[in-house]
Amino acid sequence: EVQLLESGGGFVQPGGSLRLSCAASGFTFSTYAMSWVRQAPGKGLEWVSSITGSGGSTYYGDSVKGRFTISRDNSKNTLYLQMNSLRADDTAVYYCAKCPAKQQLGTNYYYYYMDVWGKGTTVTVSS
Amino acid sequence: DIQMTQSPSSLSASVGDRVTITCRASQSISSSLNWYQQKPGKAPKLLIYAASSLQSGVPSRFSGRGSGTDFTLTISSLQPEDFATYYCQQSYSMLIFTFGPGTKVDIK
Repeated sequence: EVQLLESGGGFVQPGGSLRLSCAASGFTFSTYAMSWVRQAPGKGLEWVSSITGSGGSTYYGDSVKGRFTISRDNSKNTLYLQMNSLRADDTAVYYCAKCPAKQQLGTNYYYYYMDVWGKGTTVTVSS
Repeated sequence: DIQMTQSPSSLSASVGDRVTITCRASQSISSSLNWYQQKPGKAPKLLIYAASSLQSGVPSRFSGRGSGTDFTLTISSLQPEDFATYYCQQSYSMLIFTFGPGTKVDIK
């Protein structure tokens, strides 16, 4: 069974740091891109960051660029999100998601999507 | 940056109703559009990817259409378990995503 399990959430003061982990099982981790998505209390979904299967390319949302770093250890089947300079508006449930792609017929273009999600880990930033 | 809008923001419907949710992108995104369902306290669930491909295990009453800037998610006959919030998501620029604001479907 394909599973993702986030951990590392907690309570932190503004300006502090936290590292989230996402342990993957049931699939060949290194062959899939992965993403982090967050949801503030009572709000919608916000994409945070993504990383290719090799870890060679990373992508960030504007609200976290320069403060958060996504990484992965394919030998441990684990995805990470290092969060620095945390602010109150970073308070949210953080989900990791597996990102397969579908190739557009006759092209080298791929449609990415998020087919498996973890249950989430809660981060609270408050003084 | 590509912005996504959804309409309506909420709707009330009855079991058995046909429900359509619209998603619009601020620029053409080809067919790079996904739909998710989320129930309170739960992680989102993928319903449709690449605008019209039904995810494995998702009931056939869910369907997606569209390309370019305008997309729809249709539930042909609303079931009790379908009351939830639905989000569209664009993935035009490979692994850079944007979600729509969501559409809450509740019981009339």
